[in-house]
Amino acid sequence: ETGVTQTPRHLVMGMTNKKSLKCEQHLGHNAMYWYKQSAKKPLELMFVYSLEERVENNSVPSRFSPECPNSSHLFLHLHTLQPEDSALYLCASSQDRPGTGAVNEQFFGPGTRLTVL
Amino acid sequence: GQQVMQIPQYQHVQEGEDFTTYCNSSTTLSNIQWYKQRPGGHPVFLIQLVKSGEVKKQKRLTFQFGEAKKNSSLHITATQTTDVGTYFCAGGSYIPTFGRGTSLIVHP
Repeated sequence: ETGVTQTPRHLVMGMTNKKSLKCEQHLGHNAMYWYKQSAKKPLELMFVYSLEERVENNSVPSRFSPECPNSSHLFLHLHTLQPEDSALYLCASSQDRPGTGAVNEQFFGPGTRLTVL
Repeated sequence: GQQVMQIPQYQHVQEGEDFTTYCNSSTTLSNIQWYKQRPGGHPVFLIQLVKSGEVKKQKRLTFQFGEAKKNSSLHITATQTTDVGTYFCAGGSYIPTFGRGTSLIVHP
C-alpha cells in the first residue's frame, strides 16, 4: 500500500450518467494529481492541486471536473463522457517544496478502471 | 512544451539477458525519476537522479543521467521474471513529464 486510496476501483457508466471518482491520501502530502492512463497515451496529466489550489490543467475537456476540498482528498466529477474516455484513472500525491529543488516523488493510488458505454 | 521520449516501447528478453531502456528530452532536465508499473498495478517510484553524469545502482538495476542532463537510461542485468512490467522515466521540473514507458517482457 502506498498510502493513497481510490474508490471505486471499477466503474461502468453510460454516456449520460454523472459519477465521481474519489482519492484520499494518508501521507500528509500537500499536492495531488489526476492522471489518465490508456493504451494510446500511457500517462496523461490531467490536473494538479498544490496546497489545495489548482496549478495546472492540461486542456482537459470540461466533462471532467476536479474538486479538492482539502489536502487529503481529491475528486474527479464525470458527466456526459464519451467511450474514448474509458481508461485507468490514477491519483497521485507528493510533497510540494517549490523553490527548494526537492524531488516531487509521486505516490500513486491503485486507480479506477473506467468503462464508458 | 517539454517532451520526454522513451525507447523502446516494448522489449522481449529471455530470462538472464540484460535489458536497457532509454529516455531523451528536448530540453535540459532538472532531475529525472524512474517508475515501475507491474501488469495490473500502478506506477511505483524507483529512484531519482539530479546531478549531471550521476549513476546509481539498486541491486541489478543501474540508472544513469547524462552529462548534458537531457538523457537517462535504466539497465537491468540478468533479468528475472519479477522484472516484468513497464518502466517509465519522468523528467523536468516541479511537475515531472512522463515518457511513454518501455514494457519489459521476460520469457522463462
